[in-house]
Amino acid sequence: DVKVTQSSRYLVKRTGEKVFLECVQDMDHENMFWYRQDPGLGLRLIYFSYDVKMKEKGDIPEGYSVSREKKERFSLILESASTNQTSMYLCASSVPGEAFFGQGTRLTVV
Amino acid sequence: AQKITQTQPGMFVQEKEAVTLDCTYDTSDQSYGLFWYKQPSSGEMIFLIYQGSYDEQNATEGRYSLNFQKARKSTNLVISASQLGDSAMYFCAMRGLTTNAGKSTFGDGTTLTVKP
Repeated sequence: DVKVTQSSRYLVKRTGEKVFLECVQDMDHENMFWYRQDPGLGLRLIYFSYDVKMKEKGDIPEGYSVSREKKERFSLILESASTNQTSMYLCASSVPGEAFFGQGTRLTVV
Repeated sequence: AQKITQTQPGMFVQEKEAVTLDCTYDTSDQSYGLFWYKQPSSGEMIFLIYQGSYDEQNATEGRYSLNFQKARKSTNLVISASQLGDSAMYFCAMRGLTTNAGKSTFGDGTTLTVKP
């Protein structure tokens, strides 16, 4: 089975902290994505990557950055966490015709 | 730009009956993929079914099937013989299929409740 693993299921961080959300996939997928999901707003794309060291901004990249040093790992970085970044974060990987998500990370910024 | 529209915020269905969840899309891409996901209350997103824009046959995966009408830009999900475990939020999504067009766009979702 394809596995997309996010490092934490629940996370609580303080305002101003630098936060790393890690995502690893084991199926050699080229494309990887980071979304945030908020009630009433659906899933919104933050960043995606179609190859190692390649990244593209999604719809809401402000306040975030990403890193993809290896094909299997795609990291989301909150440079200085703020309370409006409290959300559910979902990582996904895909090739044409297949797309799989991790279990999600519920981040609370206090 | 891509856009996905799911017009049904909530749907109810009786157990063992079939239900159709609507999804329309808009895109300027010539080659694209359409996806459906299920998100139970536990939060994980479960990939259900995929339809490629050039696929002539409607996709089918077990109890899930798609009614893909390319000219109408719609890809409705049909769940046959509903089960209580089908109660969840369902998302329709699309993505361009060219080399680096990995950006996926999601609809707002439809919450399905299966009644016993």
